[in-house]
Formats: sequence, C-alpha cells, structure tokens
Amino acid sequence: DTGVSQDPRHKITKRGQNVTFRCDPISEHNRLYWYRQTLGQGPEFLTYFQNEAQLEKSRLLSDRFSAERPKGSFSTLEIQRTEQGDSAMYLCASTGRQDNYGYTFGSGTRLTVV
Amino acid sequence: AQSVTQLDSQVPVFEEAPVELRCNYSSSVSVYLFWYVQYPNQGLQLLLKYLSGSTLVKGINGFEAEFNKSQTSFHLRKPSVHISDTAEYFCAVSDRSGGSYIPTFGRGTSLIVHP
Repeated sequence: DTGVSQDPRHKITKRGQNVTFRCDPISEHNRLYWYRQTLGQGPEFLTYFQNEAQLEKSRLLSDRFSAERPKGSFSTLEIQRTEQGDSAMYLCASTGRQDNYGYTFGSGTRLTVV
Repeated sequence: AQSVTQLDSQVPVFEEAPVELRCNYSSSVSVYLFWYVQYPNQGLQLLLKYLSGSTLVKGINGFEAEFNKSQTSFHLRKPSVHISDTAEYFCAVSDRSGGSYIPTFGRGTSLIVHP
C-alpha cells in the first residue's frame, strides 16, 4: 500500500471552468476527508465520507462544490464555475479503526485559478 | 465545535537547541490530539497522536508531546533540533463524542532552524 494518492498534483484553470480532483485512500480505510488549505493557514474541513456515505459537509462547501465516493473506494471533488478564491491546496485524508484514527494525508492537489 | 490555538506563528531556533511548540484547544469531554508536520508543497505527515493512556506521547523524529487536560494543552517538544526539522507544524484535535472524528487544525507554527 502506497498511502493516500491524489491526482493531479497541480492544476491551473481559467476562471469559470470546472475542475475535478481524485483521491485514492488507503484500501482498508473506511473514512475519507477533504480539506482545503490556503497559504499560511491550517487545513480547513470540507467534507467527510464513511464508506460511500457523505456524512458531513462544511459551510465552506458551497453549491459549486460536490464530492462523491462511489462504492466507498476512491473519491472525487468537483468545483464548478471556478473562482479565483478557490485557489488553494486541496488535501485528502483517510483513516480507519485499525489505525486508531491516525489520519494519513495525501500530497494534495494545488489549484490555481487564473 | 472544537478550536485549536497555536500560540506562535513562527519559532526561530538554533540547531541542537531544544524547542517547544505550543498548542491549546477548546475544552471538550474527550478528544484525540495530533501533531502533523508539513514540508513545502507536500501533504501532512503525522508526528504523533494522543488517544488515551499516558499523557506523554512519543512520536517520530525525536518529537514528543504532553497532554495536559486541566490546561487543555498539547505542547510539542524536541530536546535537540536539526536543520531538517525546518517545516510547518500543525496541531489538530478531533472530538470523540460526535462519532465523526473530524480533525480541526490550528493555523500552524513555522519552525525555522538556523545553523
């Protein structure tokens, strides 16, 4: 197991375009989290899945944002009609009972909206 | 909702000196506590975690942290730092009572180790 994988590592997009990011968690982990991190800040919670169910969403997750985790494996985060304020690092983390809820983070996807 | 305060935004220190990075969290019945390190343009790497039991927790790279329930603190310490410890450090807390265990992060402390 190579840990949590995120793709792409970097994404530059024009304002108004849609983007989609992918996260592949550690295979045994049933919980998956998405965070957003802007420069000089700590990660801010966006949404959380337990298996395929999206159980919680932050107020930060506007209606332009949608996340899915079909079949409880990989997850995607889509941003529609991107705005410059969406520029950030998007981090994915996974955990499970067998890890005593020690969260493993991916390397993130850095989004730049121009 | 939980909140985490990292009291120092930046901590400069000389190589081989000891260091303490401070973290306080808002009170809750029971919490899990974490310290993560982030190197430039990378994700977060878990240094150590407190789930229960002994209040002194040892982690990777020679770091340790002490859980103090009465002061709601979880300060990170290292007796002798190296240049390679230069990075951003994040304290996080997750509330055990809700069942979601969603970690809330502090704003981070930049540790700068000088030769």
